[in-house]
Amino acid sequence: DTAVSQTPKYLVTQMGNDKSIKCEQNLGHDTMYWYKQDSKKFLKIMFSYNNKELIINETVPNRFSPKSPDKAHLNLHINSLELGDSAVYFCASSQESLAVTFGSGTRLTVV
Amino acid sequence: AQSVTQPDIHITVSEGASLELRCNYSYGATPYLFWYVQSPGQGLQLLLKYFSGDTLVQGIKGFEAEFKRSQSSFNLRKPSVHWSDAAEYFCAVVGLDQGGKLIFGQGTELSVKP
Repeated sequence: DTAVSQTPKYLVTQMGNDKSIKCEQNLGHDTMYWYKQDSKKFLKIMFSYNNKELIINETVPNRFSPKSPDKAHLNLHINSLELGDSAVYFCASSQESLAVTFGSGTRLTVV
Repeated sequence: AQSVTQPDIHITVSEGASLELRCNYSYGATPYLFWYVQSPGQGLQLLLKYFSGDTLVQGIKGFEAEFKRSQSSFNLRKPSVHWSDAAEYFCAVVGLDQGGKLIFGQGTELSVKP
């Protein structure tokens, strides 16, 4: 299936741990994103990469570090997790920044 | 700064009734506008998009939206709602001068009464 796939779907971890979320798209898109959806369902962009180059870096703590090994993959690594990091994280992709396709999300719970 | 406002946080309609979800945007140039739907526990699915041309756009699942520049609106409509339409709906504008990031409204939760 052509899609944006991210793993894991659910992630429960303790404060202070380091975790990663992986994302892959097989749509041939040139731009990939990470969005965060908070408990009130508000969606906000965190990062975007175009052909492995960082384009957008919103005011996100340095504990969050995206890595794009190639234009089909964009992983998100989070260091020293805090309670406030609990949210749903969506990977997404688009071609020429139009019609963004989203993955199914990773629900991160920090306890 | 660009922004999107969805004035209705929660709407309840009866199955078979018509639906209109409101969206107002603030954007300096010609906007590229989108409606996404999120079912519980799911990702976001694109319903429809407006880039240019005909101001009435058709989408999937029987939805349509009308772009009105004079009112800075992009309202979503459906003539007859089905129970499976119950979900969260997001209006968004893309900031082409900001790396293509989507700017979302707060979302409208749609409940459907039998």
